[in-house]
Amino acid sequence: DQQVKQNSPSLSVQEGRISILNCDYTNSMFDYFLWYKKYPAEGPTFLISISSIKDKNEDGRFTVFLNKSAKHLSLHIVPSQPGDSAVYFCAARGLGTGANNLFFGTGTRLTVIP
Amino acid sequence: AAGVIQSPRHLIKEKRETATLKCYPIPRHDTVYWYQQGPGQDPQFLISFYEKMQSDKGSIPDRFSAQQFSDYHSELNMSSLELGDSALYFCASSRGQGNYGSGGELFFGEGSRLTVL
Repeated sequence: DQQVKQNSPSLSVQEGRISILNCDYTNSMFDYFLWYKKYPAEGPTFLISISSIKDKNEDGRFTVFLNKSAKHLSLHIVPSQPGDSAVYFCAARGLGTGANNLFFGTGTRLTVIP
Repeated sequence: AAGVIQSPRHLIKEKRETATLKCYPIPRHDTVYWYQQGPGQDPQFLISFYEKMQSDKGSIPDRFSAQQFSDYHSELNMSSLELGDSALYFCASSRGQGNYGSGGELFFGEGSRLTVL
């Protein structure tokens, strides 16, 4: 059963606007969440992460929000740029799930329109 | 900066053959992870090694084996290949086991695409 879900397979946003990518998880043992970006023919690249002791983490244009009670996190990209067009994977791991492995969502393909 | 290097990038094999994928982690990274991404699927964790010892095991078939060597590079050996093994195999590395509070960011290679005919 999928423990990390990204229900939107694709998202199109105009350049300069905000991109919001969503991720839901089911395992309450997850305590660390990461976002990865993947370009075609390349491996995933780490983007930003958040620990469960926080509800927000910001890095430049990228902000991740965590709502533990709703088991939901989101990645905000402001402003969106054409170079942000890629597939974004949400990942989670936590105590009791095996600290060395990540559970990935199925990805959301973001297209930023110039 | 040096990244995770995987070889070969592409590999074509027949059913029942054997394949070996190699992964060279980022210098000073001591933990290596293997992931399998089938067509249209999310990456699935296979196995990981920390300091040359298997540290975790995911959905790795019994036909597959892996090891980490003294120079921290890792090899994934796949035998009796099946059509369903066709996938993109990612290797990732990190420093330390990525346990609670240490960050745990994984750095991925570009992947090795295995096609089984």
